[in-house]
Amino acid sequence: QSALTQPASVSGSPGQSITISCTGTSSDIGAHDHVSWYQQHPGKAPKLLIYRVTHRPSGVSDRFSGSKSGNSASLTISGLQADDEADYYCSSYTGSSTLVTFGGGTKLTVL
Amino acid sequence: QVQLQQSGPGLVKPSQTLSLTCAISGDSVSTNSAAWNWIRQSPSRGLEWLGRTYYRSTWVYQYGASVKGRVSISPDTSKNQFSLQLTSVTPEDTAVYYCARDPDISGWFGLDYWGQGTLVTVSS
Repeated sequence: QSALTQPASVSGSPGQSITISCTGTSSDIGAHDHVSWYQQHPGKAPKLLIYRVTHRPSGVSDRFSGSKSGNSASLTISGLQADDEADYYCSSYTGSSTLVTFGGGTKLTVL
Repeated sequence: QVQLQQSGPGLVKPSQTLSLTCAISGDSVSTNSAAWNWIRQSPSRGLEWLGRTYYRSTWVYQYGASVKGRVSISPDTSKNQFSLQLTSVTPEDTAVYYCARDPDISGWFGLDYWGQGTLVTVSS
């Protein structure tokens, strides 16, 4: 059982915007601004989309944005494209001996 | 451009030791700014952080609670690589194993470069 809770699936049509939530606790998301998001296509390694809650690595489209409120974080994808269909994972620094925890993943379907 | 190339067996017998290696190009295992991680992924456990190592005047090792006592991560500066060893494996350790870089060890930046993944099956 993952420590961070994500919806199992979300869907949207091309051009629309979707938001994926990630709920943690006051010990992880609520305590640190070290939330990151990953995109994973089938058979591939995860790809970093967002780091430190809101920052995009070089080369990541500005259609991807992150935010945080309290013990929850969110990933918003605007202008949905077919290639956005993938699994998305959040992660958070915990400050404990298990340094980081991940969400269970959300499957995005582009209709 | 950083690249991580994994190697190691895809089949390990129960009770034996799982060993994987991650060769680094485009960066140095002994850099002062990055940490070198191992993560695994399975349908039952999802993504699971196993541990990391980094160099800050001396080598630092941090391990996840779920595998602590069975896991070790070792840097090899002569070959610019780092390795994972997981002892006393059971079928529950069957997973895709990834190595990955965290470019900023002050807390948690995120994992910006990943190896290609190695499916390790624990079976007799």
